[in-house]
Amino acid sequence: NAGVTQTPKFQVLKTGQSMTLQCAQDMNHNSMYWYRQDPGMGLRLIYYSASEGTTDKGEVPNGYNVSRLNKREFSLRLESAAPSQTSVYFCASSGAGGGYTFGSGTRLTVV
Amino acid sequence: AQSVTQLGSHVSVSEGALVLLRCNYSSSVPPYLFWYVQYPNQGLQLLLKYTSAATLVKGINGFEAEFKKSETSFHLTKPSAHMSDAAEYFCAVTPRYNAGNMLTFGGGTRLMVKP
Repeated sequence: NAGVTQTPKFQVLKTGQSMTLQCAQDMNHNSMYWYRQDPGMGLRLIYYSASEGTTDKGEVPNGYNVSRLNKREFSLRLESAAPSQTSVYFCASSGAGGGYTFGSGTRLTVV
Repeated sequence: AQSVTQLGSHVSVSEGALVLLRCNYSSSVPPYLFWYVQYPNQGLQLLLKYTSAATLVKGINGFEAEFKKSETSFHLTKPSAHMSDAAEYFCAVTPRYNAGNMLTFGGGTRLMVKP
């Protein structure tokens, strides 16, 4: 099925550990995004990439880094995980006209 | 800066009753507007979108929404709720001229459907 693929689906980290969340889309979309979802707060933008080769900070970028590896792939890295980063992370992509296609999410717990 | 407000974090209706989920936006220029649905443990799925064509937009699963510029609203409705409609619903907005197509989401409304 065409769409956005995120890995892993679940992850438990210890405080201070690092990890990279992977995201790939096969719809030839220019723009890609990373959001986090927390109860009662909706989705908050962490980083986005308007096109291949560019990345920009969103609303809550602290503690994260991203890489737009190519047009298909956009990864999110936590260098030193903190309990406050326990959340569900969603990758999305969009083409012309707006409207996102979302991945199924990564549920991250930092203990 | 644009923002979107969803009134009511939880809405409960009986099966067969009207569903009304409220969304108001704040933007100097009428934006593009979207409704997404999220079923448990899944990602968000596009229900419908308004991009300045007809103000009454029909989406999937019998949902529709009406853009009202004078009220800065984009409320989501469905005439008759079904048990399978139980989910969380998100309203989102993006400026018309936005190179990054970034969406700003409301806080979400959890819809519960009683038998």
